[in-house]
Amino acid sequence: GENVEQHPSTLSVQEGDSAVIKCTYSDSASNYFPWYKQELGKRPQLIIDIRSNVGEKKDQRIAVTLNKTAKHFSLHITETQPEDSAVYFCAADDSWGKFQFGAGTQVVVTP
Amino acid sequence: DGGITQSPKYLFRKEGQNVTLSCEQNLNHDAMYWYRQDPGQGLRLIYYSQIVNDFQKGDIAEGYSVSREKKESFPLTVTSAQKNPTAFYLCASSLGTSGAYNEQFFGPGTRLTVL
Repeated sequence: GENVEQHPSTLSVQEGDSAVIKCTYSDSASNYFPWYKQELGKRPQLIIDIRSNVGEKKDQRIAVTLNKTAKHFSLHITETQPEDSAVYFCAADDSWGKFQFGAGTQVVVTP
Repeated sequence: DGGITQSPKYLFRKEGQNVTLSCEQNLNHDAMYWYRQDPGQGLRLIYYSQIVNDFQKGDIAEGYSVSREKKESFPLTVTSAQKNPTAFYLCASSLGTSGAYNEQFFGPGTRLTVL
């Protein structure tokens, strides 16, 4: 089945700097790669996603890149702000449409 | 995701008791999912349902049961056979499970604590 690994597990950045989170997956049938942001005690919220027919997608300060050959995808947050502090999860779908989630990255943005 | 509700928000269970967590959606989504989240860990799939009256086991189904009698409802029962049920439980739904329809939206979660 699908296996998704996510790194790093924690990431501390200075406000205004960039943050990068990387994920690898194992199932070559995966076609959909969402990223979720979860604040403490809250539900995960979809922040950006990418499908396999696209190599890069950007939405304001966040972007996602996908390398299908290498089976990895990354989340990039530029000009980080304190409200970006949260846990971020990557996921990849399998051939049945189920998601396998990474273990999460705790991002801390310090002023 | 505002169209998915879960109740209760907090639930306390004594050992040996079965408890049922509610999940309702008004998004007209065909697919629904239950995940378990433990501190510092990702989301693990318990059960999922692609269509009403059908459901499949996920990665950690032991000690749990579900039903899908109505499209909008997917309740999860945590049975006494689940040895370590204390966790945060998240329900999600999607329009479908393939192509452009598999974007999942999450409910607010239920925090279950075993006393």
